[in-house]
Amino acid sequence: KNEVEQSPQNLTAQEGEFITINCSYSVGISALHWLQQHPGGGIVSLFMLSSGKKKHGRLIATINIQEKHSSLHITASHPRDSAVYICAVISSGSARQLTFGSGTQLTVLP
Amino acid sequence: ETGVTQTPRHLVMGMTNKKSLKCEQHLGHNAMYWYKQSAKKPLELMFVYSLEERVENNSVPSRFSPECPNSSHLFLHLHTLQPEDSALYLCASSQGVGSGALRDTQYFGPGTRLTVL
Repeated sequence: KNEVEQSPQNLTAQEGEFITINCSYSVGISALHWLQQHPGGGIVSLFMLSSGKKKHGRLIATINIQEKHSSLHITASHPRDSAVYICAVISSGSARQLTFGSGTQLTVLP
Repeated sequence: ETGVTQTPRHLVMGMTNKKSLKCEQHLGHNAMYWYKQSAKKPLELMFVYSLEERVENNSVPSRFSPECPNSSHLFLHLHTLQPEDSALYLCASSQGVGSGALRDTQYFGPGTRLTVL
């Protein structure tokens, strides 16, 4: 059983649609990362969250610590947003661990 | 894109070979990381170096041996690997120090695609 669960696993959208990717986790955390991985393997860090909400361009990330849940939203989606989006949590406590979700494959069609 | 470089980009090795992966960061960061990404599995953090501190994932077999001679260079020495070790090995760096470095934005290299025959 994964400590970090993402949904959906695969998502296909039309250009311009509003997209939501979800991440749920079962452990206490100190922070959460959202990452983007393009075909070929290159990974870009999008956000680090410990509370509330962050926005960067068309991307918005939110986290609810009490509900152990985070969402990544993409507004006005574009084919270049097609990628795998990965959630990762840093466990709280003395033994910090970084645990990754399996990723959400997003395809945005023109 | 040239902030974190990895060599080689592709490597094919036999189970009895010894090889090394190299990572170099040009960002002035203090922490460096090795990750393994196998097909159909989540990313796994293998090792973290932050200045003098090494944080090791307990599930990493001893056939993987990291070396961090300075804050800009990180190696992963490989010996007697198994076919299930075939994966994409990613290096990353971040600014912070100690265990707090995990909270920092990480900058990833392009990865080394390793195939063990």
